[in-house]
Amino acid sequence: AQRVTQPEKLLSVFKGAPVELKCNYSYSGSPELFWYVQYSRQRLQLLLRHISRESIKGFTADLNKGETSFHLKKPFAQEEDSAMYYCALSREYGNKLVFGAGTILRVKS
Amino acid sequence: GAGVSQSPRYKVAKRGQDVALRCDPISGHVSLFWYQQALGQGPEFLTYFQNEAQLDKSGLPSDRFFAERPEGSVSTLKIQRTQQEDSAVYLCASSLVLTLRSPRGQYFGPGTRLTVL
Repeated sequence: AQRVTQPEKLLSVFKGAPVELKCNYSYSGSPELFWYVQYSRQRLQLLLRHISRESIKGFTADLNKGETSFHLKKPFAQEEDSAMYYCALSREYGNKLVFGAGTILRVKS
Repeated sequence: GAGVSQSPRYKVAKRGQDVALRCDPISGHVSLFWYQQALGQGPEFLTYFQNEAQLDKSGLPSDRFFAERPEGSVSTLKIQRTQQEDSAVYLCASSLVLTLRSPRGQYFGPGTRLTVL
């Protein structure tokens, strides 16, 4: 069975500090990993996916198959990054997403 | 253009009542998903449609839950004889292509918050 673990319910950092939101997964195959974000009063939206290898809003995430991790990083946090972040997984030929419980990121000024 | 819409946005039901939740996906989107999100948890998969065909309903928690998409566009999630444990946000998502391997993944609706008293 697939499982996604986000160990931190809340991460609070100061503006300009580095951010790392942790995500670990369990799946025996080759999963596809995603980060979704939900800003206050907005709907859930895709932030980035490992297959794209791109940086979105300064965030990056590298899939580490050895550690089964897909941590989300940003070198300098901004106040507008405050939101709920969900890590999610899908099987290589699957469609449904398996989500972690989410981490609230609060960026303080 | 319009995104995924869901109605009603809020629903309060007495235990034992039947409810119907509607999802209007983005026009032309082939794939449609329903997720259930309990308080403090991430969304959990309920069911998946490809056009009008329900290809995966493995996440439906009981036979009280039923989903349909008869014409391959609008979908309805029906919950019969609601119980308190059904209280959650129900999210609908749609995707243009058959798999998640599209550049933008799934587009989510705002959700319907169901409260069962």
